[in-house]
Amino acid sequence: AQSVTQPDIHITVSEGASLELRCNYSYGATPYLFWYVQSPGQGLQLLLKYFSGDTLVQGIKGFEAEFKRSQSSFNLRKPSVHWSDAAEYFCAVDSNSGGYQKVTFGTGTKLQVIP
Amino acid sequence: NAGVTQTPKFQVLKTGQSMTLQCAQDMNHEYMSWYRQDPGMGLRLIHYSVGAGITDQGEVPNGYNVSRSTTEDFPLRLLSAAPSQTSVYFCASSYSQDTSGNTIYFGEGSWLTVV
Repeated sequence: AQSVTQPDIHITVSEGASLELRCNYSYGATPYLFWYVQSPGQGLQLLLKYFSGDTLVQGIKGFEAEFKRSQSSFNLRKPSVHWSDAAEYFCAVDSNSGGYQKVTFGTGTKLQVIP
Repeated sequence: NAGVTQTPKFQVLKTGQSMTLQCAQDMNHEYMSWYRQDPGMGLRLIHYSVGAGITDQGEVPNGYNVSRSTTEDFPLRLLSAAPSQTSVYFCASSYSQDTSGNTIYFGEGSWLTVV
């Protein structure tokens, strides 16, 4: 069965500092991978997704993520964090299991940004 | 575009009461689903539907019922509310269940408290 692990529950960074959020997945084949962001009191919004090809994918709001097959990882990065980036971030893996889309979410990483 | 609309946004129920969370989408998406979000557990799939008249169970279906009479609507019914159903509920939709990698669009959430 597929699974997603986000090892960091909370991360605190200073505004302007770089950010990396970790995500590890378990799936037999090459998965479809996503990062979603949830602002307080809101639903989830797609940041970026990876299907195939270039392993470095660009998303909205200046985020990028790198797929590393050898490490089963899909870490999210941003070079310079803004206070508005404070939110909860979810990694997700999507497989085509028996011909149907099947999405599993990680438990989330809450990002705090300090001035 | 309204996207995915959920109502109500907040609800307090007494144990044993029943209620329905409404969900509607205006994107002509085939696939709709309900998740619950609990602290430290990410999003867990309750029920999903691959089209009008077709529903199936997700990871945590007990205590919930769904139906899909139209493409647009996918209500979630709590049959006899229990305190363990206190949670934030998200309705979601995507273009098709039978193609992996589709972006999932989320509603803004419904905060349910069972006392």
